[in-house]
Amino acid sequence: AQTVTQSQPEMSVQEAETVTLSCTYDTSESDYYLFWYKQPPSRQMILVIRQEAYKQQNATENRFSVNFQKAAKSFSLKISDSQLGDAAMYFCACGSEKLVFGKGTKLTVNP
Amino acid sequence: DVKVTQSSRYLVKRTGEKVFLECVQDMDHENMFWYRQDPGLGLRLIYFSYDVKMKEKGDIPEGYSVSREKKERFSLILESASTNQTSMYLCASSPDRVSTDTQYFGPGTRLTVL
Repeated sequence: AQTVTQSQPEMSVQEAETVTLSCTYDTSESDYYLFWYKQPPSRQMILVIRQEAYKQQNATENRFSVNFQKAAKSFSLKISDSQLGDAAMYFCACGSEKLVFGKGTKLTVNP
Repeated sequence: DVKVTQSSRYLVKRTGEKVFLECVQDMDHENMFWYRQDPGLGLRLIYFSYDVKMKEKGDIPEGYSVSREKKERFSLILESASTNQTSMYLCASSPDRVSTDTQYFGPGTRLTVL
């Protein structure tokens, strides 16, 4: 069975600063994908960034980047130059045919 | 843009009622999913479907059933609603089964069972 662990229920960051959200996972699959999703308050869940496990290069999407450590089964999300609009619940997910989600990290951005 | 819509944003039902939650996607996606989201528990997969009339159990299927008569529509059914099914229900779709592609989510239905 796959498991995803987000050890930080809540995090806060000052506007314009950098924050890193942690995620570890466990899977027996050899071919799998990793995702970070964002759920703003009362709004739809949207994809932030996606990483194929067979790729060693860390995915980057504008101010969002990941630190993928396959041997350690770690997949952290770094948000640079944090903005007020980044405030949301962030979910890490892992899977092949279906996804398993972590319990989420609530990010607060302070002005 | 992919659009996933859910029939209701808020729903209040009584214990024992039969409840239908509807989800429609407009991008001809093969896969559709139903999750429930509870504080401190994240998202948990209830059922998913790879094709019309096909369904697979997720991690917590007890007390739920699903129907997929048309490719674009995936319904979640609570045969006899109970208070422990009070939750946020999220529908999602993704393009195909070949690889785990990005899932696109609907706005959610917050169901309260009294």
